[in-house]
Amino acid sequence: SQQGEEDPQALSIQEGENATMNCSYKTSINNLQWYRQNSGRGLVHLILIRSNEREKHSGRLRVTLDTSKKSSSLLITASRAADTASYFCASVPLYNFNKFYFGSGTKLNVKP
Amino acid sequence: DTAVSQTPKYLVTQMGNDKSIKCEQNLGHDTMYWYKQDSKKFLKIMFSYNNKELIINETVPNRFSPKSPDKAHLNLHINSLELGDSAVYFCASSQDLGASLSGTEAFFGQGTRLTVV
Repeated sequence: SQQGEEDPQALSIQEGENATMNCSYKTSINNLQWYRQNSGRGLVHLILIRSNEREKHSGRLRVTLDTSKKSSSLLITASRAADTASYFCASVPLYNFNKFYFGSGTKLNVKP
Repeated sequence: DTAVSQTPKYLVTQMGNDKSIKCEQNLGHDTMYWYKQDSKKFLKIMFSYNNKELIINETVPNRFSPKSPDKAHLNLHINSLELGDSAVYFCASSQDLGASLSGTEAFFGQGTRLTVV
């Protein structure tokens, strides 16, 4: 399977703390993306990092990419209760741009 | 203005029935997808269409047949429904990456929760 995996499966933190989620993938990629899914809703794109990039920021989000380890991490700083959701990484293969490989996500619970 | 809309949102049906899920996107994207999310939240690609042409079929049983009447629509028809088909099905769309080598994001619909009883 070429699917990615997120780690941990579940994470519970207090509001104001930072949350770190990790993702591993199996094939060479064109880019890797992170998505958020609120309960009962569709996925919403958060941030994209290309294979030649090592770090990217967007607001309170920081994404890193290590292509040698085929892994990525998503850091959410100063978390809020509204950040409670499941977070998925999606790897886009190098030679097949029309595929997004997801895993089963990290369920983040931010307690107020 | 909903970018990717799919109907119905909930679908409860008996084993053996045939059902369809409809999807429409108003983003002008060339590529559309169907994903299945199981009870463990694992999200697996089923099909991908580019300009009405099937480009990805991820070993999905042939009881599942996607139909794309035009590039804004991708419907999913399921024959002889089985208990194991119960899941949430998501439609998504993205620009053709060939037009944007810098990468493209996918836009998802709200999902259709299918329950087979």
